[in-house]
Amino acid sequence: ILNVEQSPQSLHVQEGDSTNFTCSFPSSNFYALHWYRWETAKSPEALFVMTLNGDEKKKGRISATLNTKEGYSYLYIKGSQPEDSATYLCAFPNFGNEKLTFGTGTRLTIIP
Amino acid sequence: NAGVTQTPKFQVLKTGQSMTLQCAQDMNHEYMSWYRQDPGMGLRLIHYSVGAGITDQGEVPNGYNVSRSTTEDFPLRLLSAAPSQTSVYFCASSYLNREYGYTFGSGTRLTVV
Repeated sequence: ILNVEQSPQSLHVQEGDSTNFTCSFPSSNFYALHWYRWETAKSPEALFVMTLNGDEKKKGRISATLNTKEGYSYLYIKGSQPEDSATYLCAFPNFGNEKLTFGTGTRLTIIP
Repeated sequence: NAGVTQTPKFQVLKTGQSMTLQCAQDMNHEYMSWYRQDPGMGLRLIHYSVGAGITDQGEVPNGYNVSRSTTEDFPLRLLSAAPSQTSVYFCASSYLNREYGYTFGSGTRLTVV
């Protein structure tokens, strides 16, 4: 079982501030790194899938970076809005795109 | 454009009863999987399938069976429900290509009393 760790566990951020959090994963046998956004009472939705060392991906105010050599990824949110409140999960496949192992997530709360 | 459809949304079972959670996708995804979500534990993989006729165990397979007779459907069977199987269950599917994220169903909240 692969170990995927996320920090911090939870985060409260003032509306308008920027924030970031970390995902660490095994650096050997790398296939991809996934980020998901999970709103309360909904199901996880894919934000990014990154496959190459040095990848940077962006969707609106949210961006992510990837370092496969040292085994970490950062998720950044610029100018936080109340609708950004959610749990952000990262996940790492065991082989190809199979057997995704999830971290326990970072629960982000935006304070208006 | 339904995506991943899970039924039922809620279910209460008595200990020892059996039931099937249904999952269907209409995106022609080769890969389908079942996860359970418990407080403080994150999503844990129960079973998965890389194509019709092929299934394999995940991290927590005991007490569950699956089959994949078609590309579209991947039902999860609870053989004899136990209180430890009280959880929220998610079906997820994707292409086998590692460039793609998973699409999740809306979840089934199961309580075993």
